[in-house]
Amino acid sequence: GDSVTQMEGPVTLSEEAFLTINCTYTATGYPSLFWYVQYPGEGLQLLLKATKADDKGSNKGFEATYRKETTSFHLEKGSVQVSDSAVYFCALSGRHRDDKIIFGKGTRLHILP
Amino acid sequence: IAGITQAPTSQILAAGRRMTLRCTQDMRHNAMYWYRQDLGLGLRLIHYSNTAGTTGKGEVPDGYSVSRANTDDFPLTLASAVPSQTSVYFCASSRTSGAGELFFGEGSRLTVL
Repeated sequence: GDSVTQMEGPVTLSEEAFLTINCTYTATGYPSLFWYVQYPGEGLQLLLKATKADDKGSNKGFEATYRKETTSFHLEKGSVQVSDSAVYFCALSGRHRDDKIIFGKGTRLHILP
Repeated sequence: IAGITQAPTSQILAAGRRMTLRCTQDMRHNAMYWYRQDLGLGLRLIHYSNTAGTTGKGEVPDGYSVSRANTDDFPLTLASAVPSQTSVYFCASSRTSGAGELFFGEGSRLTVL
């Protein structure tokens, strides 16, 4: 079945460092891909998405490119801030009407001032 | 606009007791979902509803039941709680079933002793 694998955390970086969180997927067909973020004490919220190969999703300085050839959707940010400390979830969804979103296990990110 | 409201925020209950977690949305979304979040396991889908009057089983449905009498409400019931149901529970909704953005509540932390 479809699945998502993302790098295990926690990831600890200093402020202004470059961030990469790896995500790879296994799916039949051409899924939509997502990154969700969960700030402390809150529910998840959509950070960015891409619906077809070579699409780049971006939001709040974060970017991820849908790479069909490597089945990847890595999350990047050029200069992280303390406020980016959160748990990040990679996810996919098939294109059929009843397909459900499948989440990775999450990567906790700590940004040190 | 409140979005998704969950109640209670936190609850401790004895094993064997019955418990209902409430979820209400004001976005007129057709689809609603219940997830549990456990450390190291990410988010797992318990039950879902593609539209009012219908429900379906997710990845971990045993010990839980749901109903969807109207568009706005999607309660989750534990008929006889067990310690392994200690978790953080998130309700979510989406405009339609299938690929699309999920909107999450802030979660209900449940501890079963």
